[in-house]
Amino acid sequence: NAGVTQTPKFQVLKTGQSMTLQCAQDMNHEYMSWYRQDPGMGLRLIHYSVGAGITDQGEVPNGYNVSRSTTEDFPLRLLSAAPSQTSVYFCASSPARAWGNQPQHFGDGTRLSIL
Amino acid sequence: AQKITQTQPGMFVQEKEAVTLDCTYDTSDPSYGLFWYKQPSSGEMIFLIYQGSYDQQNATEGRYSLNFQKARKSANLVISASQLGDSAMYFCAMREGGTNYGGATNKLIFGTGTLLAVQP
Repeated sequence: NAGVTQTPKFQVLKTGQSMTLQCAQDMNHEYMSWYRQDPGMGLRLIHYSVGAGITDQGEVPNGYNVSRSTTEDFPLRLLSAAPSQTSVYFCASSPARAWGNQPQHFGDGTRLSIL
Repeated sequence: AQKITQTQPGMFVQEKEAVTLDCTYDTSDPSYGLFWYKQPSSGEMIFLIYQGSYDQQNATEGRYSLNFQKARKSANLVISASQLGDSAMYFCAMREGGTNYGGATNKLIFGTGTLLAVQP
């Protein structure tokens, strides 16, 4: 009963390094998304996908790339890490066409520090 | 523009007492959904309760209830009989569309959260 799995849980990078945060779900959900959580700012949407091969930008997409080649996986790529990207990153999934009280299911988060 | 406002950065409550966490929202879409999530110190996001914009009654889930005042655009979370394990950050979130008629994607807008501390 894995749900949404994020790896790694913690990561420290140097400025300019690249990194891929992994997200996988086993619930056959079409919709997947990435959020970042910063102190005092709640969660903000980075990118989302409504199905394999389809992605779109959220509120704060700059500096991040995504792709969706399978229903299960939705990796988030930082091509050149910057200190401003130090944050906690959450991946979430749900059925694509939201209906009523279908909540998003969140992973446990990845805590990323960029020095 | 869509917006969620949580004006209480932090709150204290005595164990066994009730507490209300405030949430106001702004949207021009007549169809929307409101969610509350709990984030304990361990960091995971836990779904608590949902209210649809067309729901006639306030949502309840165990000790959680949602005081939904549509005209005032508020969706306050009420926790009855607080327990020490309720100490956490609480987030209000909104999804536009997708209530009785479906068709929305599940994009959420979050508030900044309220940190609740339950005192013994």
